[in-house]
Amino acid sequence: EAQVTQNPRYLITVTGKKLTVTCSQNMNHEYMSWYRQDPGLGLRQIYYSMNVEVTDKGDVPEGYKVSRKEKRNFPLILESPSPNQTSLYFCASRTDSHGNTIYFGEGSWLTVV
Amino acid sequence: DQQVKQNSPSLSVQEGRISILNCDYTNSMFDYFLWYKKYPAEGPTFLISISSIKDKNEDGRFTVFLNKSAKHLSLHIVPSQPGDSAVYFCAASRYGSGNTGKLIFGQGTTLQVKP
Repeated sequence: EAQVTQNPRYLITVTGKKLTVTCSQNMNHEYMSWYRQDPGLGLRQIYYSMNVEVTDKGDVPEGYKVSRKEKRNFPLILESPSPNQTSLYFCASRTDSHGNTIYFGEGSWLTVV
Repeated sequence: DQQVKQNSPSLSVQEGRISILNCDYTNSMFDYFLWYKKYPAEGPTFLISISSIKDKNEDGRFTVFLNKSAKHLSLHIVPSQPGDSAVYFCAASRYGSGNTGKLIFGQGTTLQVKP
């Protein structure tokens, strides 16, 4: 079954405590990305990766890091989380340039207090 | 700068009637448009798409219309069913050299279909 798996699904953390949200896909997709969803703003891209060792900033990259050491994994790292990073995060992957083959993970609710 | 806008945060319709969800965009370079559906506690799932060379695409109860001169697209659901109740996002992308494959999403419209 085609899947994008994120962990954790729910997390409450404190300001400044480093955390990592993992993302893994089993479809051998080259393109992966991270989005955050906020009320009234829709989904905004944080970072994306066109392939292994190739990453670039999206629209809202501040406060985040990513890595792409393997094709299947694309973790999102918050080195020093702040309350404005409280959001719903989605990892996504796809095989080509058009979005009709994009697969989203189920989302990770992150609260920073 | 919101390049893709869904100006109606919510929409409520009766079961069996038509649901029309609207989306406007500002970037004339966009050439591919998509609609995603999202249920609570799930990730968005692809619903239907349209290329800029077309003005209509139909898939069962779902039809997307594109008006390039007005930079406007709409999603029609006929007939609406209670299971269609969800958040609907429109998204746009630009295909071609230098394209990063990024989707630009609208803010979303919450559709409620009443039995």
